[in-house]
Amino acid sequence: NAGVTQTPKFQVLKTGQSMTLQCAQDMNHEYMSWYRQDPGMGLRLIHYSVGAGITDQGEVPNGYNVSRSTTEDFPLRLLSAAPSQTSVYFCASSDYLNYEQYFGPGTRLTVT
Amino acid sequence: GQSLEQPSEVTAVEGAIVQINCTYQTSGFYGLSWYQQHDGGAPTFLSYNGLDGLEETGRFSSFLSRSDSYGYLLLQELQMKDSASYFCAVRDGTSGTYKYIFGTGTRLKVLA
Repeated sequence: NAGVTQTPKFQVLKTGQSMTLQCAQDMNHEYMSWYRQDPGMGLRLIHYSVGAGITDQGEVPNGYNVSRSTTEDFPLRLLSAAPSQTSVYFCASSDYLNYEQYFGPGTRLTVT
Repeated sequence: GQSLEQPSEVTAVEGAIVQINCTYQTSGFYGLSWYQQHDGGAPTFLSYNGLDGLEETGRFSSFLSRSDSYGYLLLQELQMKDSASYFCAVRDGTSGTYKYIFGTGTRLKVLA
């Protein structure tokens, strides 16, 4: 049981490049979410999903796209990277009505 | 809007007791959660309070007062390994949404 996995662990992008951050969970959780964490700040919700085919925006969705074609996977796409998107990105999952979220190890992204 | 307030930093000595407070403002309320995050690591779930009162898990306890929109995390018999950041979180109470809002975190330093 691997829990929540994220790839890559580290990534450097140039402004304007696009990329996809991968997230997968093997706990059959319906709820999955993406957060970004900047220094001195808490976790801010980017997008979330309550099941395959269902996604919704969080607090800071601009510049990011998501899709959920399977229960296990929830990729986050950066359409055109900007320096303001330099951050640590965490993916999390939980049972639908369970308040305990399980977090992946994070992806440290730098946009130059 | 939704917001949570926590102290930015707390310092205590090994073996002591420390309390980390969290006040929240939400449009609805589905309970208060607490997470621990060590430097460079991912957040891990500590506790959840859905109803008023105290929940105890080993050395950690969490308290909620819904009438005061207030909760706290109590750490007893502090150990050096408790040095970490602690976040409170609530779920957005707006009907039909499942957005989690996190506080900006309290950095706990445990001194020998």
